[in-house]
Amino acid sequence: GAGVSQSPSNKVTEKGKDVELRCDPISGHTALYWYRQRLGQGLEFLIYFQGNSAPDKSGLPSDRFSAERTGESVSTLTIQRTQQEDSAVYLCASRLGGSNYGYTFGSGTRLTVV
Amino acid sequence: DAKTTQPTSMDCAEGRAANLPCNHSTISGNEYVYWYRQIHSQGPQYIIHGLKNNETNEMASLIITEDRKSSTLILPHATLRDTAVYYCIVRGYNTDKLIFGTGTRLQVFP
Repeated sequence: GAGVSQSPSNKVTEKGKDVELRCDPISGHTALYWYRQRLGQGLEFLIYFQGNSAPDKSGLPSDRFSAERTGESVSTLTIQRTQQEDSAVYLCASRLGGSNYGYTFGSGTRLTVV
Repeated sequence: DAKTTQPTSMDCAEGRAANLPCNHSTISGNEYVYWYRQIHSQGPQYIIHGLKNNETNEMASLIITEDRKSSTLILPHATLRDTAVYYCIVRGYNTDKLIFGTGTRLQVFP
């Protein structure tokens, strides 16, 4: 597609439930990134994919968070046993790998844990 | 850790040039300077990046000092739609993630 697509745009879930957030990067972009942005705060790096492998998972805050990417396209970020502190906007970005072009961000998924 | 220092906020009159400064005194030779902005409730938007030379595109100009320890993003004719948080980011050539700081909140007023 023309841009990075994320779904759902909004998600409200009960504490303790699992959620899956989806990112469709720009076609041909081999690098994919997940960030989290809490209300009124800056972006926190979570994980980076090059192709289907994740060379940098250093930002995942706990083992409740995991992500995968298949077919060098779609990525899913899964949060298990959600907590209220997981409430945030989760942003995905993609980039032509190996280049110095800028990242293209999606509009994010706003997750609210109640 | 973010490697840049930016003012927390700035104001600019509509139609005037907005000059947003950024200090990156610990930048090394192979690190690029990137600028992004985030308009309320949207994902960050790429503006421009550079290594040594000044750069210009349809959105903005980037002026990097000769010692590369600071840079300025210039929006030549600011509009109300340029109101946003502007992030200055340093990225190494072999590092593939952007580390966002707190940015500068630019308010363009009529």
